[in-house]
Amino acid sequence: AQSVTQLDSHVSVSEGTPVLLRCNYSSSYSPSLFWYVQHPNKGLQLLLKYTSAATLVKGINGFEAEFKKSETSFHLTKPSAHMSDAAEYFCVVSGSGFQKLVFGTGTRLLVSP
Amino acid sequence: NAGVTQTPKFQVLKTGQSMTLQCAQDMNHNSMYWYRQDPGMGLRLIYYSASEGTTDKGEVPNGYNVSRLNKREFSLRLESAAPSQTSVYFCASRYDGVGTYEQYFGPGTRLTVT
Repeated sequence: AQSVTQLDSHVSVSEGTPVLLRCNYSSSYSPSLFWYVQHPNKGLQLLLKYTSAATLVKGINGFEAEFKKSETSFHLTKPSAHMSDAAEYFCVVSGSGFQKLVFGTGTRLLVSP
Repeated sequence: NAGVTQTPKFQVLKTGQSMTLQCAQDMNHNSMYWYRQDPGMGLRLIYYSASEGTTDKGEVPNGYNVSRLNKREFSLRLESAAPSQTSVYFCASRYDGVGTYEQYFGPGTRLTVT
């Protein structure tokens, strides 16, 4: 079965400093991986996706993630945090048959001025 | 192009009452999904529909029923609401093209059962 572990429930950064949100996955086959962002009281928005093409994936708002098969990781990074990045971030792996998505428990990113 | 829409946005029910959450998408997607979101647990799949006329159970189907009314609409019904069903409910849809596994989400329905 597929699963995702988000290693930090909360991450705090200062505006202008780098962001690193960590995600490890488990999959019995070559997975598709995603990062979604959820701003307070909003729905989920797709930030970026990996589907077996380039291992470094660029997303919206300056975020990127690197697929590392040897480490079974898909960490999300951004060089410089902005106040508007404060939100909850979900790492997601495609489930069996690719019909389903399996969600991590989320990482809340706090950005201070 | 509204994407995925959900009604209502908020609802308060008493234990034992019933209600239907509505979801519609205008992206001509085949697959539709219902999730619930609880603090610290991410999103959990309740039911999904791979195409019009078919539905399948997800991870947490107990206490819920669904109807795929047509290609656009997928409703979730709580027959006898319980406090454990207090949650935020999200509907999502997906285009079934090769290599396209991402889902698109609605804004959510915040349900409180007292």
